[in-house]
Parts: sequence; C-alpha cells; structure tokens
Amino acid sequence: DSGVTQTPKHLITATGQRVTLRCSPRSGDLSVYWYQQSLDQGLQFLIQYYNGEERAKGNILERFSAQQFPDLHSELNLSSLELGDSALYFCASSVGFSGANVLTFGAGSRLTVL
Amino acid sequence: GNSVTQMEGPVTLSEEAFLTINCTYTATGYPSLFWYVQYPGEGLQLLLKATKADDKGSNKGFEATYRKETTSFHLEKGSVQVSDSAVYFCALSIRTGANNLFFGTGTRLTVIP
Repeated sequence: DSGVTQTPKHLITATGQRVTLRCSPRSGDLSVYWYQQSLDQGLQFLIQYYNGEERAKGNILERFSAQQFPDLHSELNLSSLELGDSALYFCASSVGFSGANVLTFGAGSRLTVL
Repeated sequence: GNSVTQMEGPVTLSEEAFLTINCTYTATGYPSLFWYVQYPGEGLQLLLKATKADDKGSNKGFEATYRKETTSFHLEKGSVQVSDSAVYFCALSIRTGANNLFFGTGTRLTVIP
C-alpha cells in the first residue's frame, strides 16, 4: 500500500457521459498529480496541484478538469467521454512541488468507455 | 524539450540472466532521473533514483548510474528472478521546475524459469 488512495478502481461507462475520479494523497503530502496511461500514448502528465492551487498543466483536454480540496484530496472530472478516453488514470502525491520531490503513485482507476 | 527514450520491449530472459534496459534522455534543465516499476495490475513504484551526475541509484539488486556525458541512465541487474517480471519506466524531472515526470514508453520484462 503506497498510501495514495484512488477510487473507484474500475469504472465502465458510455460515450458522452461524465465521471469523477477521486484521489487521497499520502499523509503529509501537499502536492497531487494526475497521469493518464493508455496503450497508444503511454504515460502522460495531465495536471498538478499544490496545497489547493493549480501548479502545472500538461496534456489535459478541455473536457477534463480537476481540483484539490482544502483537505488535500483531489478529483479529476472527465466529461463528454469518448472511446479514446479509455485508460488507466493514476494519481500521485509528493511533499513539495519541485522536481526534487519523489512521487508516490496510487494503484490507478481503470476507465472503460463503451 | 524534455524527453526520455528507452529500449523497446518486450524483453524475455531466463532466470539468473543479466538484465540491461537502456534509457537516454534530453533535458532543458538539470534533471533528476528515476526508474519506476509497474507489476501486473498495480500502480507505479519507485525502483531507484539519482539526482546528480555520476550518482548511482540502487535497490533490490537493480542499479543505474546517471551519466551526464552520454545522457543515459541504463538499468541493470546481475541475476533476474521470475518475480522481476514487470514493466519498467525510465523518467526524469527537472529539479527547479514543476515536478511533472517525463516518462519513457516502458519496457516489459518477462523472466522465465
């Protein structure tokens, strides 16, 4: 157990729908990251939050949004889902926000869009 | 830009064989380098890291040396076990930048008894 908790583990939904993925960071970590792992794109950085503020943005689609709440948990919202959004979505956390900090990953949420 | 290129897989080895997975990088700043491992059905786990040139990261019999002159961070293990079967990812982050990791494409290793 890495200490980073992601729910749900698996999610199956239809095209056009909206889903929310949740992440609780490791105790003491202030920074949360979201990554997408798909067969064709590999591991892609989506977005980073630090203590409630957006810190960095990667290849995140406009249909996707995220936030980090005062209790430091984070949610990734995916809307108008397409078949190509089927992927494993990982959350990671770290103490700080700079590149010197090591990331701890959760077990992932597997999204299947039918 | 920042990117990581790692050896294409899959790699299949017999138990106790020597393992090398090549990784080279391009970085605009001063990178930290990492190897992550993903076992079947699980998330990524940090295997080892190195934060400056000539540093050697090591863990569970795996080693990698940060070579600035060749921009490489090759992963090695002298004697692999069946339990090492997993996907291995090389990654970098820029220490003074935002802490998003740039990952290679991953190399799947299968070790057969």
